[in-house]
Amino acid sequence: AQSVTQLGSHVSVSEGALVLLRCNYSSSVPPYLFWYVQYPNQGLQLLLKYTTGATLVKGINGFEAEFKKSETSFHLTKPSAHMSDAAEYFCAVSDQGSYIPTFGRGTSLIVHP
Amino acid sequence: DSGVTQTPKHLITATGQRVTLRCSPRSGDLSVYWYQQSLDQGLQFLIQYYNGEERAKGNILERFSAQQFPDLHSELNLSSLELGDSALYFCASSVGGLAGYNEQFFGPGTRLTVL
Repeated sequence: AQSVTQLGSHVSVSEGALVLLRCNYSSSVPPYLFWYVQYPNQGLQLLLKYTTGATLVKGINGFEAEFKKSETSFHLTKPSAHMSDAAEYFCAVSDQGSYIPTFGRGTSLIVHP
Repeated sequence: DSGVTQTPKHLITATGQRVTLRCSPRSGDLSVYWYQQSLDQGLQFLIQYYNGEERAKGNILERFSAQQFPDLHSELNLSSLELGDSALYFCASSVGGLAGYNEQFFGPGTRLTVL
């Protein structure tokens, strides 16, 4: 079974600074990879996903993530943080052919003015 | 707005009671998933239904059950409630049956408080 590790339960950045949220998974076979965002009092919303093809994936709101097989990582980045990016971010991983992804514990992004 | 609706938004009940949470998926989506989110356990998958049939089961307690009706809405039944069942319960839907590939659309959740 897959396991997902999100390093850092909280990440704090200043507005305009680089955002880097880390995600590592356990499988040796390239899985499907997702990042979801959860704003306060709302459900999760897909930011981006990787299934096959280009390893640099662009998502909504200026976020992107790079699949690095050698490092079993799928870190999420954004060049310049906005106050509106403050939310909980979840990395999710699934084996090909799996019905259900495994979610990480989440990282709370805090953006300071 | 994801197109997934959940009712009620909040539910407060007592230990030992039974409650029913309701979910309507996005139009056209055949799969419904139930998740439990709590501070100590994180986001836990409970169960999936696809076009009325149970497709996958996760960490769902025997006191919990679910079903998907012909109109594709789903209900999650929680019985003999305990304090530890207090959590946010999310419903999600997707077009196909493979959430491991398809995007899931999440509802706003039902916050259950057991006193």
